[in-house]
Amino acid sequence: AQSVSQHNHHVILSEAASLELGCNYSYGGTVNLFWYVQYPGQHLQLLLKYFSGDPLVKGIKGFEAEFIKSKFSFNLRKPSVQWSDTAEYFCAPMPHNTDKLIFGTGTRLQVFP
Amino acid sequence: DVKVTQSSRYLVKRTGEKVFLECVQDMDHENMFWYRQDPGLGLRLIYFSYDVKMKEKGDIPEGYSVSREKKERFSLILESASTNQTSMYLCASIQAGSGDTEAFFGQGTRLTVV
Repeated sequence: AQSVSQHNHHVILSEAASLELGCNYSYGGTVNLFWYVQYPGQHLQLLLKYFSGDPLVKGIKGFEAEFIKSKFSFNLRKPSVQWSDTAEYFCAPMPHNTDKLIFGTGTRLQVFP
Repeated sequence: DVKVTQSSRYLVKRTGEKVFLECVQDMDHENMFWYRQDPGLGLRLIYFSYDVKMKEKGDIPEGYSVSREKKERFSLILESASTNQTSMYLCASIQAGSGDTEAFFGQGTRLTVV
């Protein structure tokens, strides 16, 4: 069965620390890949996406992610987090032949000043 | 600037009631989804639809059904609500195809079944 794994369930960082959130998926075919973010009390919004081309993609608010096809991974990174990055982050692959968006269990990030 | 609208932000229903959650999108997207979001479990797909009157079961369809009579509207139905269906329900829509696309989400409906 298709699945997506987010290794970190809860991450606690101080401001200015670097962030890397892991995401691995099990689907072997071609996929679009997304990271969504949910700030407290708000709806899900797109952070960044990959569908083809350069495997290093940049998103909003200084986030970036790298697609490594051989590792079935799409890890999210930010060099220096801010308190306002406190949120829940979801990785979501979408296999091309299903158009079905599958979500990981999410990673809760807390950033302390 | 509203793109995906869910009819209710909060609902409280009694066990055994039939519950309708409505979702409307204004982007002419083919694909629409219903998820439920629970702490520690992420978003789990209940049902999705890729065209009018077309539907497919997701990972957790038991106890739910859906209706899509018009392209812009996708309804989730709890035939007989139970307390284990207390959750946050999220609707999403996305343009079909493998190109540059993204899903848009509604604000969510927090359903409490008592």
